[in-house]
Amino acid sequence: DAGVTQSPTHLIKTRGQQVTLRCSPKSGHDTVSWYQQALGQGPQFIFQYYEEEERQRGNFPDRFSGHQFPNYSSELNVNALLLGDSALYLCASSLQGAGAYEQYFGPGTRLTVT
Amino acid sequence: AQSVTQLDSQVPVFEEAPVELRCNYSSSVSVYLFWYVQYPNQGLQLLLKYLSGSTLVKGINGFEAEFNKSQTSFHLRKPSVHISDTAEYFCAVSDYQGAQKLVFGQGTRLTINP
Repeated sequence: DAGVTQSPTHLIKTRGQQVTLRCSPKSGHDTVSWYQQALGQGPQFIFQYYEEEERQRGNFPDRFSGHQFPNYSSELNVNALLLGDSALYLCASSLQGAGAYEQYFGPGTRLTVT
Repeated sequence: AQSVTQLDSQVPVFEEAPVELRCNYSSSVSVYLFWYVQYPNQGLQLLLKYLSGSTLVKGINGFEAEFNKSQTSFHLRKPSVHISDTAEYFCAVSDYQGAQKLVFGQGTRLTINP
């Protein structure tokens, strides 16, 4: 049973560029959440996708956008990159429904903006 | 809105000694509580969760935590630690609204000395 996978593992971009990160959820899961973890900090919620729609959003600017595909995989897009966007981006998958509150995390994508 | 405070940023202990990592939360609604562990250069792994019922919950790797509603705390404990327990530990909460958004604390770095 494959867990949550993310690609790429590492990425280096220049200020002003755009980046796309990808996530495949754990088998059987239908919900994907994205988190940003700056160095030395706890993860911060960016947004969550369910049924191909953004269900909830954290305090992140519109430069951060996402998408969920019919197979439940998801993309996180960040436009006009800033140095402060350098972080570990974590994807978590879960299942909607009664009692389904456990989120499974992927290994993350380390984004460095220079 | 919820918030989580992990009272210790770093906890050094000797191998085979007991350890307690402290977590306090704030919320205007009932919450679910979680402890995650993050090993170097990896994603987050769920250690244990409190959803309802017994306030003492047991997790993987010999960890346990106690939910105290009056003190709004959810401290993590292990009676005897091993070198392999060296990692970052995160306390997190989510509300009962079903959105599954996790709010994390800043993390506690547990260092085990031989």
